[in-house]
Amino acid sequence: EVQLVESGGGLVQPGESLRLSCAASGFTFSNYAMHWVRQAPGKGLEYVSAISSNGGSTYYANSVKGRFTISRDNSKNTLYLQMGSLRAEDMAVYYCARWGSEGGYYFDYWGQGTLVTVSS
Amino acid sequence: DIQMTQSPSSLSASVGDRVTITCRASQSISSYLNWYQQKPGKAPNLLIYAASTLQSGVPSRFSGSGSGTDFILTISSLQPEDFATYYCQQTYSIPYTFGQGTKLEI
Repeated sequence: EVQLVESGGGLVQPGESLRLSCAASGFTFSNYAMHWVRQAPGKGLEYVSAISSNGGSTYYANSVKGRFTISRDNSKNTLYLQMGSLRAEDMAVYYCARWGSEGGYYFDYWGQGTLVTVSS
Repeated sequence: DIQMTQSPSSLSASVGDRVTITCRASQSISSYLNWYQQKPGKAPNLLIYAASTLQSGVPSRFSGSGSGTDFILTISSLQPEDFATYYCQQTYSIPYTFGQGTKLEI
């Protein structure tokens, strides 16, 4: 069974840093690109970041570029999102998602999400 | 970035109704369009990918159509468990943007 389990969320003050993790199981993690998507309270889904299966390519939304870093450790089956210089507008539930590519391109599995609260 | 616009933003319906939700892309995205269902407090769940392909395990009352810029999600006969928020997403070009969501209410 495919599982994605996020952790690392919590309450931080503006300007602080936080690292999110997404532990994967039930599939060959190193074969899949992975993504982060966030959802502010009561709002819609916002695409945040992507990383290729071997970690060699990354992408960041303009809203987080220069502040967030996506990475992965295929030996540990874990995806990361290092978040720095956090702002109030970064407060959201952060989801990791697996990139499916059979017959199309989509996010076929999602984690349960981890809440990041940015407040002084 | 490609903008995705859903309509309506909210929709009231009854069990047994046929419902359609529209998604429009700001440029052609071929058939790189997905639909997700999200219930409160839960992660999104993939319903349809490549505009019209039903994800494994998704009931056949859900269907998708369209290509280019205009897409439709249809629920043929609403069931109580279908009341949720629905999002379209384009995967034609990164960033893989989402529509603003359509909240389906009783």
